[in-house]
Amino acid sequence: IAGITQAPTSQILAAGRRMTLRCTQDMRHNAMYWYRQDLGLGLRLIHYSNTAGTTGKGEVPDGYSVSRANTDDFPLTLASAVPSQTSVYFCASSEGTSGANVLTFGAGSRLTVL
Amino acid sequence: AQKVTQAQTEISVVEKEDVTLDCVYETRDTTYYLFWYKQPPSGELVFLIRRNSFDEQNEISGRYSWNFQKSTSSFNFTITASQVVDSAVYFCALSEAPGNYGQNFVFGPGTRLSVLP
Repeated sequence: IAGITQAPTSQILAAGRRMTLRCTQDMRHNAMYWYRQDLGLGLRLIHYSNTAGTTGKGEVPDGYSVSRANTDDFPLTLASAVPSQTSVYFCASSEGTSGANVLTFGAGSRLTVL
Repeated sequence: AQKVTQAQTEISVVEKEDVTLDCVYETRDTTYYLFWYKQPPSGELVFLIRRNSFDEQNEISGRYSWNFQKSTSSFNFTITASQVVDSAVYFCALSEAPGNYGQNFVFGPGTRLSVLP
């Protein structure tokens, strides 16, 4: 089934540890995104990539980094996790970057930082 | 700056009641797109509808209908004869034409709908 695969589904992490959330899509979408979802705040954009080889910062990029070596993969790295990064993380993709594009989401990765 | 407001944090209704979820947006662009997404208890986000700023026709899809009014900057979502399976968090989102950063979605905080049997 075409779509977005995120891993891990859930993770508990000690503060200060490094963590990479994986995201792979098989739709050949050009653009990919990472959002975090927090109660009462909706979804907030962390980083995005309009096409392979390029990345950009979203609304809440601090403490996170991304890379886009190819079209399919868009990993999100927390270099040194802090408790405020406890959240549900969603990877998404869209075919293009016009305002009309629909975002397709992965199932999410629940991260708890202790 | 663009902004989406969903003033209703939580709504509870009894099955078969009609319910309207409110969405108010702010944008300076004349070209923009509005979306509704559903997040059921399983957690995934499911696309429901997209509407562009030049099309104010209301849309109906089964029990779902959407009312877009540019005059009040609103894009409200009505579920008719609600069912337990409609229980979910619903997000309204705004996307403007791409600028220097490409497509930028802004999501509202979401409305949690509980449909009781």
